[in-house]
Amino acid sequence: AQKVTQAQTEISVVEKEDVTLDCVYETRDTTYYLFWYKQPPSGELVFLIRRNSFDEQNEISGRYSWNFQKSTSSFNFTITASQVVDSAVYFCALSEQNDYKLSFGAGTTVTVRA
Amino acid sequence: EAQVTQNPRYLITVTGKKLTVTCSQNMNHEYMSWYRQDPGLGLRQIYYSMNVEVTDKGDVPEGYKVSRKEKRNFPLILESPSPNQTSLYFCASSFTNAYEQYFGPGTRLTVT
Repeated sequence: AQKVTQAQTEISVVEKEDVTLDCVYETRDTTYYLFWYKQPPSGELVFLIRRNSFDEQNEISGRYSWNFQKSTSSFNFTITASQVVDSAVYFCALSEQNDYKLSFGAGTTVTVRA
Repeated sequence: EAQVTQNPRYLITVTGKKLTVTCSQNMNHEYMSWYRQDPGLGLRQIYYSMNVEVTDKGDVPEGYKVSRKEKRNFPLILESPSPNQTSLYFCASSFTNAYEQYFGPGTRLTVT
């Protein structure tokens, strides 16, 4: 069985603050894939990043960065110097090599106030 | 333009009246999937398909049917809709489950 937990339901910050979204996953498979998606108020789902279980390098893309730690089964996401346009629901997701299902966390709603 | 399309975008129906939500992708993806999104529950996978004629249940398949007769199409069928199937539905496609999903715009279904 696979499971993704996003313990933070909602986070509210003031513009320019940093915000970190937690994602903890459970899997018995040694090969798996982790994803983050963004859902802005307009409703579409936008892919942000993919990581496979063999690649523990942290990733930075502009103001976004991801910290993958297999030892703690976590794949956390940080927005640096947040902006109002970052206001959205963010989902973490997991898929295993030997199970074609895809499991999403419940999502974290981020509100950035001007 | 690479895209996933869903129709209809909005649907209000009554309990027990069969309906189909269509999904089509133009990216030659092998993997397609249906999700429902409910407040506080995130996205839950209903059914997925690894390729033509190959489908399997996700985490919440009860009350739904799917078929994959062509690579590009993956319709979701509700034979006898009930109010607890009121939700926002997303179709998605990707090369395999190991790669990022491309999502359709969503279908908001209300069953009264």
